Amino acid sequence: EAEVAQSPRYKITEKSQAVAFWCDPISGHATLYWYRQILGQGPELLVQFQDESVVDDSQLPKDRFSAERLKGVDSTLKIQPAELGDSAMYLCASSRLAGKNEQFFGPGTRLTVL
Amino acid sequence: AQKVTQAQTEISVVEKEDVTLDCVYETRDTTYYLFWYKQPPSGELVFLIRRNSFDEQNEISGRYSWNFQKSTSSFNFTITASQVVDSAVYFCALSEARGAGKSTFGDGTTLTVKP
Repeated sequence: EAEVAQSPRYKITEKSQAVAFWCDPISGHATLYWYRQILGQGPELLVQFQDESVVDDSQLPKDRFSAERLKGVDSTLKIQPAELGDSAMYLCASSRLAGKNEQFFGPGTRLTVL
Repeated sequence: AQKVTQAQTEISVVEKEDVTLDCVYETRDTTYYLFWYKQPPSGELVFLIRRNSFDEQNEISGRYSWNFQKSTSSFNFTITASQVVDSAVYFCALSEARGAGKSTFGDGTTLTVKP
């Protein structure tokens, strides 16, 4: 069964350092999402791609976060510099079409900023 | 702007009890999609069901059932004869049918089923 892959699963870093997360969506899924999930809350959309184009990054802190999906397949989310408040679970999801179709989630990356 | 409210933060039941998880949403759109996802302790969200705004038929899948009422903007989820394996965080989500198809999630309800 096809799955969304994410790495690393866990990341511990010190504040002001740079971190990067990688996601490989299910083959054929045009839409890719990056979410941040704080303990006790629901996923919050950071950025949404349709193929290689960003279609929504309204909640992405652009002064420190960046995301790319160069060939419309896998994607990287970067934080530079990391801050204490960035500690959270970062989830990647993909779907065939945005809105209508269900999203398939990866296992997430647990980030701890010390 | 869209909003999804899951007022029940935590629910605890004893095995075999029935339990209903509430979801209330806000949107100005006439066409939209509603979803339920399950997040077990392992952490990975799993899709359970999708409903579009034009289909108010209730749905039953085994021990799970969903009640969609457009008049009250609610999409509630009932588990009949709960089991320990149902223990998880359950999220209700709303997606736009237009534009980028943006999704908004509720804050989830943590369900604990005790043996």
